[in-house]
Amino acid sequence: NAGVMQNPRHLVRRRGQEARLRCSPMKGHSHVYWYRQLPEEGLKFMVYLQKENIIDESGMPKERFSAEFPKEGPSILRIQQVVRGDSAAYFCASSLGTTEELFFGEGSRLTVL
Amino acid sequence: GESVGLHLPTLSVQEGDNSIINCAYSNSASDYFIWYKQESGKGPQFIIDIRSNMDKRQGQRVTVLLNKTVKHLSLQIAATQPGDSAVYFCAEGTGNTPLVFGKGTRLSVIA
Repeated sequence: NAGVMQNPRHLVRRRGQEARLRCSPMKGHSHVYWYRQLPEEGLKFMVYLQKENIIDESGMPKERFSAEFPKEGPSILRIQQVVRGDSAAYFCASSLGTTEELFFGEGSRLTVL
Repeated sequence: GESVGLHLPTLSVQEGDNSIINCAYSNSASDYFIWYKQESGKGPQFIIDIRSNMDKRQGQRVTVLLNKTVKHLSLQIAATQPGDSAVYFCAEGTGNTPLVFGKGTRLSVIA
């Protein structure tokens, strides 16, 4: 029973490059959430997806950030033209439904040089 | 802005004592509350949850209390152990919105 799998665990990018973070939800979970966490801070909601649909992207910056959850394969959080302020831990979570417990992955830590 | 907040950013307790971590929320429509534990370098881990039709729920060494009148949530950890040292987050949600997390309380257990 694999949990939520995220990769890469650590990613280093230079300013202007692209970052792609992947998340495979728990088996049977069709709801995926992305959260961002800065050091010593809480988790900020970014986007909520179900298979092939973005349900809520109210926490996602309007530019440079995009997310998808295709019919097959993992959910992808894509950050284009990264800037130093994008450095953070990005956590993916999955659930069976909207009022169910979220199961989190171990996070992807992005460092922008 | 944040609708969930915590009264104490840090809490130090002696090993064996009980710990109480508090959380205030402002969204009266929230009907689902969860406490998560996050150890350094790891993802948040579910501890216990409670729905708005309950006032209290107990787990193994942990109890969550919900006071809807004053919009207050607390996590009680009995006989705190060194392994309980972590950051604890409360989170709130409704049937239609993703969980909103508070800033977190760091619990340090003194051996």
